[in-house]
Amino acid sequence: DARVTQTPRHKVTEMGQEVTMRCQPILGHNTVFWYRQTMMQGLELLAYFRNRAPLDDSGMPKDRFSAEMPDATLATLKIQPSEPRDSAVYFCASDQRHGGGTDTQYFGPGTRLTVL
Amino acid sequence: RKEVEQDPGPFNVPEGATVAFNCTYSNSASQSFFWYRQDCRKEPKLLMSVYSSGNEDGRFTAQLNRASQYISLLIRDSKLSDSATYLCVVNSPPGGYQKVTFGIGTKLQVIP
Repeated sequence: DARVTQTPRHKVTEMGQEVTMRCQPILGHNTVFWYRQTMMQGLELLAYFRNRAPLDDSGMPKDRFSAEMPDATLATLKIQPSEPRDSAVYFCASDQRHGGGTDTQYFGPGTRLTVL
Repeated sequence: RKEVEQDPGPFNVPEGATVAFNCTYSNSASQSFFWYRQDCRKEPKLLMSVYSSGNEDGRFTAQLNRASQYISLLIRDSKLSDSATYLCVVNSPPGGYQKVTFGIGTKLQVIP
């Protein structure tokens, strides 16, 4: 049963520290998404990649957030420096898209981040 | 105005009741639509796609109204296990790729 995996599942850190979250998409999926979910804002798209190339990161605060895909099996989301307002659940999702079509997004279990 | 709007609820309904949620979207060029289900402290999972002709999956019916720009989800004969948050998803084509927007979700609580 193929799944998206994310590490760590939980992270508590202090303001100003660097946080790195990792995601392993489902093997063969060519599109990877990073979302942030809070009670107030719901699920917000931060960035997404297709075939490892960044297609849209307009939802991401550029000054402190960065997203990369060093290879097809790993996506990373980094926050430096972290702030208390970054506390949220960060989800990674992947799917297999052909051309402009859509497919089912499969979500990882999320990383629950708390910045003190 | 938000691109995708949902009533956050909660909707408290008795077991066996029929409940319906709507989700409105602002971009008339939106191409595809979905309903996801999210259980407490879990990740969202696809419930069903929404087709122009409407579609049904057991007790669940999804419909699309392009003229009024909304999608709906109807749940018949509610079960306790239906308690969850239901997220609508709208995909819009702003150019060479699709923009994915989630609604904030509607919370459903089915009561014994």
